[in-house]
Amino acid sequence: DGGITQSPKYLFRKEGQNVTLSCEQNLNHDAMYWYRQDPGQGLRLIYYSQIVNDFQKGDIAEGYSVSREKKESFPLTVTSAQKNPTAFYLCASSTDRKLFFGSGTQLSVL
Amino acid sequence: GQQVMQIPQYQHVQEGEDFTTYCNSSTTLSNIQWYKQRPGGHPVFLIQLVKSGEVKKQKRLTFQFGEAKKNSSLHITATQTTDVGTYFCAARTGANNLFFGTGTRLTVIP
Repeated sequence: DGGITQSPKYLFRKEGQNVTLSCEQNLNHDAMYWYRQDPGQGLRLIYYSQIVNDFQKGDIAEGYSVSREKKESFPLTVTSAQKNPTAFYLCASSTDRKLFFGSGTQLSVL
Repeated sequence: GQQVMQIPQYQHVQEGEDFTTYCNSSTTLSNIQWYKQRPGGHPVFLIQLVKSGEVKKQKRLTFQFGEAKKNSSLHITATQTTDVGTYFCAARTGANNLFFGTGTRLTVIP
């Protein structure tokens, strides 16, 4: 069954803690993306990767980090430097420039 | 940075009424895409428009791209409860990144 898998579905972060959101795809797509969605706002790009071992900052990269060691995987770490991390995080991959999204991770702060 | 304005933010319609959402940019767009996000779900690609003045139909949905390639609209004829969700436009200006509009949340009253 092809698609994009995000885990966990819900995640809670304590003050000063780093947390990592997982994103795996078996669509054989080269490009992968991380978006943040806040209520009443559109999707804002955090990081993207066009190819393995390469990634670029998006519009709101501060307080986040990523890696792309494998084509299938693009994990996002929300660091303690991100002071307002509560949001819905969406991972996507693309082919022909259209995006395929995972089911998302809701991150909340304890 | 690039901004894509989308209106209205919310729309409540009686089942059977029509619905339209508009997307506007101050700059010329390479193409525009539309996505639908059901409540609690993730965005799903609907369509991409590339040519000036292009009109595409998907059953009760009609998508238009303006002659100047600075605006787009999505029109739904005779809404049904299955149309409920948030509709996003997403645009490129030539670079790799998609800029998402803020979305229009559609509520259909049975």
